[in-house]
Amino acid sequence: GEDVEQSLFLSVREGDSSVINCTYTDSSSTYLYWYKQEPGAGLQLLTYIFSNMDMKQDQRLTVLLNKKDKHLSLRIADTQTGDSAIYFCAEIAGNMLTFGGGTRLMVKP
Amino acid sequence: EAQVTQNPRYLITVTGKKLTVTCSQNMNHEYMSWYRQDPGLGLRQIYYSMNVEVTDKGDVPEGYKVSRKEKRNFPLILESPSPNQTSLYFCASSFRPGGLTQYFGPGTRLTVL
Repeated sequence: GEDVEQSLFLSVREGDSSVINCTYTDSSSTYLYWYKQEPGAGLQLLTYIFSNMDMKQDQRLTVLLNKKDKHLSLRIADTQTGDSAIYFCAEIAGNMLTFGGGTRLMVKP
Repeated sequence: EAQVTQNPRYLITVTGKKLTVTCSQNMNHEYMSWYRQDPGLGLRQIYYSMNVEVTDKGDVPEGYKVSRKEKRNFPLILESPSPNQTSLYFCASSFRPGGLTQYFGPGTRLTVL
């Protein structure tokens, strides 16, 4: 499968913005996804972006897509302690969903 | 309630003892898949199935088998488990690969001694 890369760890203070970055490899991906995994739980689809879009905003979440650089980011505004989780980006390559290694977001009060 | 169920949730076993992890979905989804999650490696796909009797290898299929005899069930079989298969396993289902309605099961934590 293709490699999707993320930084492992991000720490922010409550109320700050968080930006989680991801680089992907398959330029033919039609959708790119962000998933959230809370401790002891499965993955939950957080948001997604269609490949012909540059930006998508959904309440506190903003997804930016730079297709030229194959770079995807997730911005969480006004980060709360409840946002502490592991965040995975993922792309579709053929019939397979390929995940990044996950970024653990820690929110300090 | 729409859901993907996995059993067991936790399992400790010994090397070489065959085991099966069951996965069932109640949403009439065509696409089902199995992932393993290891620290720093994210989720890696083991096998997937586009529909009944259609299965394909993912990125890390060695040491695993699957079957898809019915649409709702997609069991993961470890014929001869080894310690390097100690991991957290997730089953998922959706109407199509990576579908926006993809549901994940709660996970099965497997330890092979």
